[in-house]
Amino acid sequence: SQTIHQWPATLVQPVGSPLSLECTVEGTSNPNLYWYRQAAGRGLQLLFYSVGIGQISSEVPQNLSASRPQDRQFILSSKKLLLSDSGFYLCAWVSGRGPPELFFGEGSRLTVL
Amino acid sequence: QQQVKQSPQSLIVQKGGISIINCAYENTAFDYFPWYQQFPGKGPALLIAIRPDVSEKKEGRFTISFNKSAKQFSLHIMDSQPGDSATYFCAADAGGTSYGKLTFGQGTILTVHP
Repeated sequence: SQTIHQWPATLVQPVGSPLSLECTVEGTSNPNLYWYRQAAGRGLQLLFYSVGIGQISSEVPQNLSASRPQDRQFILSSKKLLLSDSGFYLCAWVSGRGPPELFFGEGSRLTVL
Repeated sequence: QQQVKQSPQSLIVQKGGISIINCAYENTAFDYFPWYQQFPGKGPALLIAIRPDVSEKKEGRFTISFNKSAKQFSLHIMDSQPGDSATYFCAADAGGTSYGKLTFGQGTILTVHP
């Protein structure tokens, strides 16, 4: 069966520090991968998506970047965090075939102080 | 045009009651409408989904009603239980080059009192 892992689960970082959130998917190959952000009391906003290794599309201009160094690995990064980067970051995957059923990871809660 | 508007923001029902959450959209290219359930501190999980070629889909106590002409869809939770207390999100997907890029509603916090 397919599983998705995100880490770290919780992160507290000072303003201006770098960020790296990792996501890996097991049990599937060539998935579409997504990073969403959920601000407190808000819906989910798509940040990045990837249809293959090295292929990244950004949905909103921001302080963050994403990379996909391997088929089942998706990384969210920042060189210098802002207060507004605080939120709950969710990685998700879909097989790319059939209905677009997104499967989400457990999320990474980032607090920027 | 990409928005999905969800209401109410919060909902309180008694155990055994019916919970109803509504969503509306503008983009007629949307062709897949899932609902997600999210418990505190967890990622959302797919609950039920519908395509616009049917007006209703039922899975256990959960039913989606879809009105294509009105561009509205709703989630009905029958016999609501305290374990259903969670945040519910409707979403929409336009397929094609937008495959998997779900547009989410703002969420509804459901509380079911025992």
